[in-house]
Amino acid sequence: QKEVEQDPGPLSVPEGAIVSLNCTYSNSAFQYFMWYRQYSRKGPELLMYTYSSGNKEDGRFTAQVDKSSKYISLFIRDSQPSDSATYLCAMEAGNTGKLIFGQGTTLQVKP
Amino acid sequence: EADIYQTPRYLVIGTGKKITLECSQTMGHDKMYWYQQDPGMELHLIHYSYGVNSTEKGDLSSESTVSRIRTEHFPLTLESARPSHTSQYLCASTGLSSGNTIYFGEGSWLTVV
Repeated sequence: QKEVEQDPGPLSVPEGAIVSLNCTYSNSAFQYFMWYRQYSRKGPELLMYTYSSGNKEDGRFTAQVDKSSKYISLFIRDSQPSDSATYLCAMEAGNTGKLIFGQGTTLQVKP
Repeated sequence: EADIYQTPRYLVIGTGKKITLECSQTMGHDKMYWYQQDPGMELHLIHYSYGVNSTEKGDLSSESTVSRIRTEHFPLTLESARPSHTSQYLCASTGLSSGNTIYFGEGSWLTVV
């Protein structure tokens, strides 16, 4: 069983839709949670970084962490075609930089 | 904006060749990492370093080796490339100057024929 599970999609939505991306995990020691966006043939770009449970908002993006359910989410409001990319969740137990990644969800936002 | 650079971006080489993938960062980060990503699959940590002359193997076994002679430089070497080494290799770094958030380079796409 993988430590981090993420539905690979693909997920296709119309422009302006609210997108919900999710990951589940099994290691209760994870405390640091990240969402990265990766365009084709590019490196991952950090979108959101949260510590422990709770919500964090940055513009159109909201990250949620529910440690009791071992479940994290990324919401994208008013989605744009430029949001079309692969979204990776990542997490770690200590602040070591040794990240465990989900498989990534491919998102397509249609104009 | 992350100042971490990888070269080459794309490389096609023959089996048995020796290759070195370069990674440099200008942020003064003490921690550097190499991840491997096969198409459509998760990134897996293959090497990391917490400082000069310190290198460790990651969770995914790899035939590659790394060195950390200078803080800003963390090259990855394959002594004899094989088709099974075909993958994307991503370098990353973090440190106090970036609040311990991890930044990735653009990646090096390696194809061994």
